[in-house]
Amino acid sequence: GQNIDQPTEMTATEGAIVQINCTYQTSGFNGLFWYQQHAGEAPTFLSYNVLDGLEEKGRFSSFLSRSKGYSYLLLKELQMKDSASYLCAVMDSNYQLIWGAGTKLIIKP
Amino acid sequence: DGGITQSPKYLFRKEGQNVTLSCEQNLNHDAMYWYRQDPGQGLRLIYYSQIVNDFQKGDIAEGYSVSREKKESFPLTVTSAQKNPTAFYLCASKTQGDADTQYFGPGTRLTVL
Repeated sequence: GQNIDQPTEMTATEGAIVQINCTYQTSGFNGLFWYQQHAGEAPTFLSYNVLDGLEEKGRFSSFLSRSKGYSYLLLKELQMKDSASYLCAVMDSNYQLIWGAGTKLIIKP
Repeated sequence: DGGITQSPKYLFRKEGQNVTLSCEQNLNHDAMYWYRQDPGQGLRLIYYSQIVNDFQKGDIAEGYSVSREKKESFPLTVTSAQKNPTAFYLCASKTQGDADTQYFGPGTRLTVL
C-alpha cells in the first residue's frame, strides 16, 4: 500500500529553527510537495522537490532523498504566524497526490 | 483577481438530504479536484476532472457525484448515500502538466445534523 508518515505535532520557539520530516512509500514517484494549512483554511503551496537535494526559498527549505524515501521541511527564524499544519504529499506513478495526515506546528513565544 | 472560490464557507443539512457544493475557478486551469479532509487524516480524493465533460472517481467516490459542464465549474453533490458526510471539503485546480502544482479553494465545512 501507499503510505506517507509525518509526526502528528511539534512545538518550537519563536526565532528558532524546526525540521519537519516526511517518509513515504508509494507506487512510483513524480515529486514531493509541501503545503502549509492554517486552521480552517485552504492548504497553500510551499515547495516541490523531484530531484535529490535541498531547495531553498526564503526562510523555508525542503530536502529530498529519493533512495531513502525521505523529505524534510526546514523552517528558520520562526514567527508566530508559522503556527499551522504542514502537509507532505507525494505524486505517484499515476500523477495523483498521496497525502500525509499533516504535522501541527505550535510556536511558543 | 484570479483564484478558486467555494461556497458556502459553512453548510448545515439534515440527514437524508442531498447537498451541492460549489467550486469555481478563473485561472483557466484544465484539471479540477475534490478532496475531503477529516481530523487526523490526509486529504482523500473524491473525484477529479482533467477536461470538460469528463471526470474520474477518486479513492472515496461512493455517495458523491460531480459534473463538469464548463471549464470553470466543478460542483460536488453529497448524496444521502454518503454514510459520514460531515467533513471539510476542498476543491483544487491545476494546469494540464502532469506534475503541476494544485491550488486550493478556501473550502466548505459541511455538517450533517
